[in-house]
Amino acid sequence: KQEVTQIPAALSVPEGENLVLNCSFTDSAIYNLQWFRQDPGKGLTSLLLIQSSQREQTSGRLNASLDKSSGRSTLYIAASQPGDSATYLCAAPSYNTDKLIFGTGTRLQVFP
Amino acid sequence: DVKVTQSSRYLVKRTGEKVFLECVQDMDHENMFWYRQDPGLGLRLIYFSYDVKMKEKGDIPEGYSVSREKKERFSLILESASTNQTSMYLCASSASGTGGYTFGSGTRLTVV
Repeated sequence: KQEVTQIPAALSVPEGENLVLNCSFTDSAIYNLQWFRQDPGKGLTSLLLIQSSQREQTSGRLNASLDKSSGRSTLYIAASQPGDSATYLCAAPSYNTDKLIFGTGTRLQVFP
Repeated sequence: DVKVTQSSRYLVKRTGEKVFLECVQDMDHENMFWYRQDPGLGLRLIYFSYDVKMKEKGDIPEGYSVSREKKERFSLILESASTNQTSMYLCASSASGTGGYTFGSGTRLTVV
């Protein structure tokens, strides 16, 4: 059964720092992995979708990598800003299905 | 811009009422999902549907049912609302086999 773990659970940093958020998953036979952002009281916004054939994906200041062999993904945020404050969730498919299993998230606060 | 639309942002219902939560997507996606999200418990899958009139139970289906009569619409039904169903409800859709979930903005349901 797929399990997804995220560390750290919470992170508070000053503006301008480069950040790394970690995600690990137990079933490496995945066809993709997705990172989301959630603002308080809101739905989830997709940030990056990495297919299993890719090693990484980039969008602006965000870069996500995928290492299936080690069961790990990282989300790198460059030059963090207060507007990046949110909860970040990663999700991987349950074995041989389209159902996503979610980590419990990393709550990020970037202060000026 | 692709969209998943949930009919209500906030709902307040009384114990014992029948409650309908509606979700509509405009991406012609085969898969649709209902999750609930509670503090400390993360996102938990209630039901999902991989085709019209098809449905499967998720991890916490008790007290809920679903309906998918048209491809674009997936309804979550609380047959007799209870206070322990107070939660944030999130709908998502995805194309079959590619992952790539798109979420709605969520419905905050309070049962009193």
